Amino acid sequence: SFVLAQPPSVSVAPGKTAKMTCGGSTLGTKGINWYQQKPGQAPVLVIHSDTDRPSGIPERFSGSNSGNTATLTISRVEAGDEGDYYCQMWNSSTDYVTFGGGTKLTVL
Amino acid sequence: QVQMEQSGAELKKPGASVRISCKPSGGTLSRYTFSWVRQAPGQGLEWMGRIVPVLRIEFYAPKFQGRLSITADKATTTAYMELTGLKPDDTAIYYCAANTFPTKSFFNYWGPGALVTVSS
Repeated sequence: SFVLAQPPSVSVAPGKTAKMTCGGSTLGTKGINWYQQKPGQAPVLVIHSDTDRPSGIPERFSGSNSGNTATLTISRVEAGDEGDYYCQMWNSSTDYVTFGGGTKLTVL
Repeated sequence: QVQMEQSGAELKKPGASVRISCKPSGGTLSRYTFSWVRQAPGQGLEWMGRIVPVLRIEFYAPKFQGRLSITADKATTTAYMELTGLKPDDTAIYYCAANTFPTKSFFNYWGPGALVTVSS
C-alpha cells in the first residue's frame, strides 16, 4: 500500500512561514490534499488537488507538489493555525485513499 | 453550507457490532459520495471505505473487508456504516466524510464524528 511520510512536528514563530512536507514515491504525479484538524474538531480541507484552496480558506495557505514531495505552506502564521495537518491522496490504480501520519504545527 | 449530521457516541462490548449514521443537511444522497474515516485516540486518520449512492457502489479498504458494511437509504437520505466483530482497538472517533458526486478523491464535508468505545 502507498505510504505518505510526514514529519511529526513543525514549530514556527508568529508571522513567519511554516512549511510542512508529505513524501512518497512519484507523489508529483498524484493529486495531494491537505486537512487541518484542531483539538476536538473534525478535519477541515485546506488545499485540494495540490494547489487549490476551497472557499473560505485564507490565501495564506498554499500548496505545491513536485517529484516525491508535496508541501503545504502557511504564510504569516497566526496562533489560530496551530493544529494537526494531514496530507491525503487517492490512488487511481487501486481506488484506495491514503492519509499521511500527520504533522503537529506549534506556533511558538 | 452542507453539513453532515452523525449519530451519537456508542459503548460496545468486544464482539458486538456498531452502526453509525450520516445524513446530509438539505440535500439528497445521490448528490454525494460518502467515505468513512476513523481516528483512534491520539492517532492519525484512517480511511475505511466509501459508497457512491447514485451508482450503488461500495468499496472497502482491505483491512476492513468482511467486517465493514457501508449502505445508503434513499428514503431517509442517510448513509450508514456498520462494523462487526468489534475489538478494543476499534475504539475511535468515526467520521463521515463526503464530497459532491462524482468527486471521491478528497473530502469537502465532514461530520462531527461519533466516538465508539469498545470495552468489556
